[in-house]
Amino acid sequence: QSALTQPASVSGSPGQSITISCTGTSSDVGGYNYVSWYQQHPGKAPKLMIYDVSNRPSGVSDRFSGSKSGNTASLTISGLQAEDEADYHCCSYTSSSMIVFGSGTKVTVL
Amino acid sequence: QVQLQESGPGLVKPSETLSLTCTVSGGSISSSFWSWIRQSPGKGLDWIAYMYNSGSTKYNPSLKSRVTISADTSKNQLSLKLTSLTVADTAVYYCVRDGGLGGEIVFDYWGQGTQVTVSS
Repeated sequence: QSALTQPASVSGSPGQSITISCTGTSSDVGGYNYVSWYQQHPGKAPKLMIYDVSNRPSGVSDRFSGSKSGNTASLTISGLQAEDEADYHCCSYTSSSMIVFGSGTKVTVL
Repeated sequence: QVQLQESGPGLVKPSETLSLTCTVSGGSISSSFWSWIRQSPGKGLDWIAYMYNSGSTKYNPSLKSRVTISADTSKNQLSLKLTSLTVADTAVYYCVRDGGLGGEIVFDYWGQGTQVTVSS
């Protein structure tokens, strides 16, 4: 199984909105609403930000939102803040009942 | 509040077997789903193995021949064994809970991770 495709880096100024894409196939992202997103600060464990494409766990800011169109899922961060600077990873269930992560995206706040 | 704590040898030699343990507190290991996930230096996350609350398991096809996930319910611990190590297995290994209904992939609790270096 190949890793889902994410842009290596995305940047934005404070207050702006940015969107991170996660592209797979009809056998993973496109076939199931089981896409999740994780935020990871340097030297720290990942943190769940979005699950089931667009659901936010309790305690996660509503500035984070998720969506999906076809084989591509997206994570949007609105009102970008300095603390949002981190790596972001997407994850999907697959048709062979496996789990695949994306290649990861580094978000830089300018 | 569920807490996960990984433990392992830190440094292992090529061709040897890695054994990692994850001690779970704040919840029963029998009532949730669990995974091991690793991250090589400067790379993305790589899913290794998954255990259902029934005890059934599934593995990343690229590692399936070398990996075993198991649980000791009496100690509330999860374990990972990875055989025939190479330098490519050098990574931070995470113990993770899936808080979904099984198949949803809701990795809501993560251990701090344990660094494993494969070197002679």
